[in-house]
Amino acid sequence: AQSVTQLDSHVSVSEGTPVLLRCNYSSSYSPSLFWYVQHPNKGLQLLLKYTSAATLVKGINGFEAEFKKSETSFHLTKPSAHMSDAAEYFCVVTEPFSGGYNKLIFGAGTRLAVHP
Amino acid sequence: ETGVTQSPTHLIKTRGQQVTLRCSSQSGHNTVSWYQQALGQGPQFIFQYYREEENGRGNFPPRFSGLQFPNYSSELNVNALELDDSALYLCASSFQRTSGTTDTQYFGPGTRLTVL
Repeated sequence: AQSVTQLDSHVSVSEGTPVLLRCNYSSSYSPSLFWYVQHPNKGLQLLLKYTSAATLVKGINGFEAEFKKSETSFHLTKPSAHMSDAAEYFCVVTEPFSGGYNKLIFGAGTRLAVHP
Repeated sequence: ETGVTQSPTHLIKTRGQQVTLRCSSQSGHNTVSWYQQALGQGPQFIFQYYREEENGRGNFPPRFSGLQFPNYSSELNVNALELDDSALYLCASSFQRTSGTTDTQYFGPGTRLTVL
């Protein structure tokens, strides 16, 4: 079965400094990987996705992630944090079930705090 | 293009009652997945509907059931509510090709269910 481990439950940065949110995955095949963001009392918004094309994936709002198969990692980065980036971030892997359909397996989440 | 919508936004029920949550898919999507997000956790897959049939289910008891309608909207029904059913229920829509390949899942804002 596929699984996702987000290595930090909380990350705190100052505005204007880099952001690094770490994610390791376990998969018995070549998965699709995603990062979703959830602002307070909101649904989930797709930040970016990896589907076996380029290993460096660019997303919205200046975020990017690099797929490293040898390290089974898919860390999310942003060069300069903004106050509006404060939210919960989820690393997600697809898991197939019968018939070729996919479900999403979520990590536990990383809460990002951005300080002035 | 209309995004995924869910109703109601909030709901309060008592133990033993039944509840129905509703989801309208994004335009052009034919697949709906439901997830349960308990407080402080990542979403957990409940089930997925494609062409009005359940094509996959997570580790949830039979009192969790669903429907998908010809317009691809969906309902989640929960019978005999328990306190642990208190959570944010998220609906996600996607486009499933006949080959089985599934595109990215896009989430609605969720329904917050409180069971007293």
